[in-house]
Amino acid sequence: NAGVTQTPKFQVLKTGQSMTLQCAQDMNHEYMSWYRQDPGMGLRLIHYSVGAGITDQGEVPNGYNVSRSTTEDFPLRLLSAAPSQTSVYFCASSHRGPTYEQYFGPGTRLTVT
Amino acid sequence: QQPVQSPQAVILREGEDAVINCSSSKALYSVHWYRQKHGEAPVFLMILLKGGEQKGHEKISASFNEKKQQSSLYLTASQLSYSGTYFCGTEIPGANNLFFGTGTRLTVIP
Repeated sequence: NAGVTQTPKFQVLKTGQSMTLQCAQDMNHEYMSWYRQDPGMGLRLIHYSVGAGITDQGEVPNGYNVSRSTTEDFPLRLLSAAPSQTSVYFCASSHRGPTYEQYFGPGTRLTVT
Repeated sequence: QQPVQSPQAVILREGEDAVINCSSSKALYSVHWYRQKHGEAPVFLMILLKGGEQKGHEKISASFNEKKQQSSLYLTASQLSYSGTYFCGTEIPGANNLFFGTGTRLTVIP
C-alpha cells in the first residue's frame, strides 16, 4: 500500500499561471479532501469529495477547482495562481468521512511569485 | 469556528509531562488529535467522542469535556520522538468537515 501520494513535492509558479496538483490513494477510501497549511493558520479545508462524481466546497475554495472521476484520484486545479496561494497543500483520505481517521499525503509546497 | 489551542509552544526535557488544550466556542460532536513532525504530513493520534471518555495509547492520552467544549491532550514521561506540532480538529453539528486549531509546537530536549 502506497497510501496517499501527491505530486509534485515542490512547485514554483508565476502569477496567473495554472497548474494541477495530483493526489491518489490506494486504500479504496470514499472520502478525499484538500487542505492548505499556512504558518500560524493551521489546516484549512479547500474542497472535499464523498465519492466519485461528488465534490463540495470547504472553508477556502476560491481560486481552486476539483473533480473526482475515480475513487482513487482527486486532483486540485489552480485556475490563475496568485501569491496568496503560496502554501503547503495536503491531500487526505478517509474511509467514511472527515470525522474518521484521515490519512494525509506528504504535501506539495507551492510558491507563487 | 476554529478552535483555540494553548499553549502555542512548549519545551520539555525528556521524561517531563505536558498538557495541550483545545477549546471551542461551539458545541462539539467530537475532537480529533493529530501530530505533525517538521516537514512531514499530519498523523492521526486519536478521536474523542461525546461522553467525556478518556482515550489513549501508550503515554499519550486525551480527555473531552463536551459541556465545556474543551479537550486536553496529555503527554506523560515525554520522549524525544514526541517532538512535533499537535493539532486538534473539532467536529461541530451541521458541518461536514473538521476545523483545525493553529497547533501547539512541542519540543522535547535531552
